[in-house]
Amino acid sequence: DSGVTQTPKHLITATGQRVTLRCSPRSGDLSVYWYQQSLDQGLQFLIQYYNGEERAKGNILERFSAQQFPDLHSELNLSSLELGDSALYFCASSAGGLAGVYEQYFGPGTRLTVT
Amino acid sequence: TQLLEQSPQFLSIQEGENLTVYCNSSSVFSSLQWYRQEPGEGPVLLVTVVTGGEVKKLKRLTFQFGDARKDSSLHITAAQPGDTGLYLCAGEGDYKLSFGAGTTVTVRA
Repeated sequence: DSGVTQTPKHLITATGQRVTLRCSPRSGDLSVYWYQQSLDQGLQFLIQYYNGEERAKGNILERFSAQQFPDLHSELNLSSLELGDSALYFCASSAGGLAGVYEQYFGPGTRLTVT
Repeated sequence: TQLLEQSPQFLSIQEGENLTVYCNSSSVFSSLQWYRQEPGEGPVLLVTVVTGGEVKKLKRLTFQFGDARKDSSLHITAAQPGDTGLYLCAGEGDYKLSFGAGTTVTVRA
């Protein structure tokens, strides 16, 4: 158990809909990262937040957004869903995130299926 | 196009054999991490290597970071069925991790 929690574990929804994925980082960790993992793309970095502020952006679509709240939990919002958005979405957390070496601890993931 | 290339893509060996997984890039990384992921679960961090030429050992696993900090290898000695999984390398740069596509290792009993 990494200490990172994600809900829900599974999500099935229709095209065009909007969903929210939730992540609680390990106790004391200030950084939260979101990743998308699909069979053809592997593990892709989406976005990072550090202590409530956006820190780094990866291959995140404009239909996707995220935020980190004062209690450090984070939400990833996916809108206008397409079939190709079906994937595993992972949240990870780390103690640091501003500079230097940091080790990320991953949650169990949310499996999103868009039908 | 993956920033980090892992090879081989798949590896199937018999219990007790040794194996090596490679992770190569044209980019220099501040550090490199290795993860193992089992189906339906999140990746689990195995090790972080920081210094060029660094070698770290974790029981039967040996990790090496290249002198130029562009490549790394993972060697497993006397593999066991419990070593089965997807092995991912990830390079740190620009405040983010870039992951390789992974090597799927299957150890047959």
